[in-house]
Amino acid sequence: QQPVQSPQAVILREGEDAVINCSSSKALYSVHWYRQKHGEAPVFLMILLKGGEQMRHEKISASFNEKKQQSSLYLTASQLSYSGTYFCGTRDAGKSTFGDGTTLTVKP
Amino acid sequence: NAGVMQNPRHLVRRRGQEARLRCSPMKGHSHVYWYRQLPEEGLKFMVYLQKENIIDESGMPKERFSAEFPKEGPSILRIQQVVRGDSAAYFCASSLGSDTGELFFGEGSRLTVL
Repeated sequence: QQPVQSPQAVILREGEDAVINCSSSKALYSVHWYRQKHGEAPVFLMILLKGGEQMRHEKISASFNEKKQQSSLYLTASQLSYSGTYFCGTRDAGKSTFGDGTTLTVKP
Repeated sequence: NAGVMQNPRHLVRRRGQEARLRCSPMKGHSHVYWYRQLPEEGLKFMVYLQKENIIDESGMPKERFSAEFPKEGPSILRIQQVVRGDSAAYFCASSLGSDTGELFFGEGSRLTVL
């Protein structure tokens, strides 16, 4: 079962903040976040493991609440380079499945 | 320092022909994954392989599609008798571990069926 992401799309001005959510109906042991720019390959941002720890990648951070089976990605003071589609991924017995993605557009 | 290498990057086939997509994982990685992505859509899992073994093919269509990852050489995704609906970007990813490691993606192979 693939994770569910929300919102589907976000439009921001440079410097604004955004939150992307990812939830699963199955128990989560880890959550991965990736960003894909148009016409390119997805690129790994961070992985979160059990324990509710937060990770950071530049000004992008994420949290993971395994009890709620949710993860959130926080984009702070967004830059033009943050534009792209963000995917959360979960792994189960080695198999990785992804949400449908959240398209982020940052405008000047 | 090669990453995941996929070829061809672009492939055009006529309906009924065969398409073969190749993926060489990162050095030292023995876990390979194939995903299909339609325009403006997400990454749909197709198959997960380790060397010489198919671990999970629950996302593969039961007919016309097959995948392998031989002891020597790249992983191959094979689509027989292609139809227009097979047109998509096919991404390969590799990882070091099976449960917690990050996935490294190739640049994708874009299949167009005329």
